[in-house]
Amino acid sequence: GQQLNQSPQSMFIQEGEDVSMNCTSSSIFNTWLWYKQDPGEGPVLLIALYKAGELTSNGRLTAQFGITRKDSFLNISASIPSDVGIYFCAGPGSGGSNYKLTFGKGTLLTVNP
Amino acid sequence: GAGVSQSPSNKVTEKGKDVELRCDPISGHTALYWYRQSLGQGLEFLIYFQGNSAPDKSGLPSDRFSAERTGGSVSTLTIQRTQQEDSAVYLCASSLVGEASTYEQYFGPGTRLTVT
Repeated sequence: GQQLNQSPQSMFIQEGEDVSMNCTSSSIFNTWLWYKQDPGEGPVLLIALYKAGELTSNGRLTAQFGITRKDSFLNISASIPSDVGIYFCAGPGSGGSNYKLTFGKGTLLTVNP
Repeated sequence: GAGVSQSPSNKVTEKGKDVELRCDPISGHTALYWYRQSLGQGLEFLIYFQGNSAPDKSGLPSDRFSAERTGGSVSTLTIQRTQQEDSAVYLCASSLVGEASTYEQYFGPGTRLTVT
């Protein structure tokens, strides 16, 4: 089945620093999604990417859909304490199962004030 | 408006007991999903409901797991004869249906299940 590999597994940064994390796959995805999960909560969709090469921003977050369609990265600029959480990449299933999202194992971000 | 709600938020049960987990989706969302999140892992798809169509149960790990959705709204996930490996957070999500809408899944806070 489809698998998504996220790196790094965890990050410890100082408030104000920029952050970069990525996600790779052995198979092609036509859509890349980035979710954030706060402790004790369900994931929240941050950014959706639908086209290879697409670069999309949401406030201090920027994500790119890799040209090969096998990778994506997420950048967070000028981090703040509320950026703490687990960031997941996800992609839809193929064919008629596009609702069946595959998730990476996540990148745990800790921001020291 | 109200988001996806799940109950209970925490459930501790003894091995071998049955448990029921409930999900109330966002009003008007015809698609409903169940996922399982084990410690340190990503989310694992379990089951998908869409309107009156037959559910996609392909992610259910064993026949001890079942789910139903009554009246196209509330859903219940049932785990029979629970095992310790069933311990996880069970997340429910709902969405509208459509190419982009399907990916905009809104998640509830989850039910943390602990089997002792």
